[in-house]
Amino acid sequence: SQKIEQNSEALNIQEGKTATLTCNYTNYSPAYLQWYRQDPGRGPVFLLLIRENEKEKRKERLKVTFDTTLKQSLFHITASQPADSATYLCALEGNQAGTALIFGKGTTLSVSS
Amino acid sequence: KAGVTQTPRYLIKTRGQQVTLSCSPISGHRSVSWYQQTPGQGLQFLFEYFSETQRNKGNFPGRFSGRQFSNSRSEMNVSTLELGDSALYLCASSLGQGRSGANVLTFGAGSRLTVL
Repeated sequence: SQKIEQNSEALNIQEGKTATLTCNYTNYSPAYLQWYRQDPGRGPVFLLLIRENEKEKRKERLKVTFDTTLKQSLFHITASQPADSATYLCALEGNQAGTALIFGKGTTLSVSS
Repeated sequence: KAGVTQTPRYLIKTRGQQVTLSCSPISGHRSVSWYQQTPGQGLQFLFEYFSETQRNKGNFPGRFSGRQFSNSRSEMNVSTLELGDSALYLCASSLGQGRSGANVLTFGAGSRLTVL
């Protein structure tokens, strides 16, 4: 069956360091991979999208990579700040008509000052 | 422009009751998706509506149903509530242009349902 795994439930890092979050998937051929941020008590907010034929995407301090051979995406936050503390979700959309956006369980990032 | 609005934000029900949740999407968005979020299972897909038609459905029992109106507003209903239905129910809207483009979702703040 299709499966999305985000490698750790929680990640704690020091301010200024780079946070790296991992999203692995099996039995999937996603056309797109998306990353969302969710703060407590709020709905997820879209951050970045990467297509299957793209290797890397950047937006300000955020960088996403997508390796369809390894079936893995890495999400990096450089120069992390306490305000980056949140839960980060990866989501996959298949390349077949009618497929929905399916989410991983998320990784909760805590950045300490 | 206004975001995705979900009502009510919080509600408490007892087992066996039914509940209806409402979602008003962003103006111009024709697709509405519903998700259930619990600490143990994360975000689980319930269903998606596009132009008043259910386009996709997750793996939930028939007690969970939904509909979409001509103005794209959507409702979901859960009948015969069980304790395990306690969760945050999230609605998300998108342009829903079909599979030639990515389905980027804008979420509402959710409806927190507690079943006693």
